[in-house]
Amino acid sequence: EAQVTQNPRYLITVTGKKLTVTCSQNMNHEYMSWYRQDPGLGLRQIYYSMNVEATDKGDVPEGYKVSRKEKRNFPLILESPSPNQTSLYFCASSLTGQRREFFGPGTRLTVL
Amino acid sequence: RKEVEQDPGPFNVPEGATVAFNCTYSNSASQSFFWYRQDCRKEPKLLMSVYSSGNEDGRFTAQLNRASQYISLLIRDSKLSDSATYLCVVSGGYQKVTFGTGTKLQVIP
Repeated sequence: EAQVTQNPRYLITVTGKKLTVTCSQNMNHEYMSWYRQDPGLGLRQIYYSMNVEATDKGDVPEGYKVSRKEKRNFPLILESPSPNQTSLYFCASSLTGQRREFFGPGTRLTVL
Repeated sequence: RKEVEQDPGPFNVPEGATVAFNCTYSNSASQSFFWYRQDCRKEPKLLMSVYSSGNEDGRFTAQLNRASQYISLLIRDSKLSDSATYLCVVSGGYQKVTFGTGTKLQVIP
């Protein structure tokens, strides 16, 4: 089944404790991206990747890191999480040239 | 001005009604346009792409007006299952993707 998977789906952590949210897709998509969704603000792009070893900042990259060492994986790293990073996070992928994005199920992160 | 603006709603409509949503965008160089549907606490899913010539998929019709920089979504014969948040998406190319904040639709029996 074609899909985008994220782990964990739910996470409660404390300020400053490094965490990684994994994202994996099995559709051989070149393009992958991370979004956060907050009430009243909608989905905002954090980082995106055009292909392996090619990443770039989206609209709200501060406090996040990403890497793209393999085509299928695009982890999101929070080196020192803060409460303002409490949000619902989505990973997405698409074929380059097609802007139809397939989204993962979301990761609900709470930073205390 | 926001890059992509939508009326947040909620739009409460009876079953069988026709409802229309508009979405305006500020970047005249935008190239691709989409409507996504998002159910509560779920991931967004593509509903349909939007073309200049307009396109229809069953009860759903999407239109693009480049001169006035807005896109629209028309839902005919609303079903209870259409209740969701509808997200307008505008892309300026491969990289830049901007989502609207969404319009909530509630179809009432």
